[in-house]
Amino acid sequence: ETGVTQTPRHLVMGMTNKKSLKCEQHLGHNAMYWYKQSAKKPLELMFVYSLEERVENNSVPSRFSPECPNSSHLFLPLHPLQPEDSALYLCASSQDPASGANVLTFGAGSRLTVL
Amino acid sequence: GQNIDQPTEMTATEGAIVQINCTYQTSGFNGLFWYQQHAGEAPTFLSYNVLDGLEEKGRFSSFLSRSKGYSYLLLKELQMKDSASYLCAVRDGDYKLSFGAGTTVTVRA
Repeated sequence: ETGVTQTPRHLVMGMTNKKSLKCEQHLGHNAMYWYKQSAKKPLELMFVYSLEERVENNSVPSRFSPECPNSSHLFLPLHPLQPEDSALYLCASSQDPASGANVLTFGAGSRLTVL
Repeated sequence: GQNIDQPTEMTATEGAIVQINCTYQTSGFNGLFWYQQHAGEAPTFLSYNVLDGLEEKGRFSSFLSRSKGYSYLLLKELQMKDSASYLCAVRDGDYKLSFGAGTTVTVRA
């Protein structure tokens, strides 16, 4: 595996179901990100983790609380959910947020549909 | 707040040139990025500008004017595979990259 891998690619859930989105990066990067992409809207930054520590948390509902066990893995538990949470969730990683161009490498995303 | 504007859609003919404009108003500025996203795929990095001027990379070029809060992405010799969404993004802090809503480019034969 290379790059940034996200699983599952597609997920349909009821508002009370419990699942987690998984992201794994194979690039040796130090920072990982969760972005939300809704139709016709800009990507919204949700969370940033640098060396497993949360360094940024945008205006995200408190029901979202990621888990970052190490610098290569990032999880987004999904429970409870609201219909407006239906979106494409993109994970990204970067080498070092504090230096240079800090280019993000994205995964292909996990598309969530909340019934 | 951050405000990044780009056109919603553009259409061009194969072999032609298309220019995608992006204007921004952000609380800080540490560089401007362009990403390409094909439907159902990950956004991929195209270009980065932090100083004023033109950066050329093959068929793609990106321009930045910091004083005007303006950038454009120029796609030359368009190919069918260039049909995609193009995302303008501004880095306004160490970690934060704020995106525009994207411009969908359709290339016609």
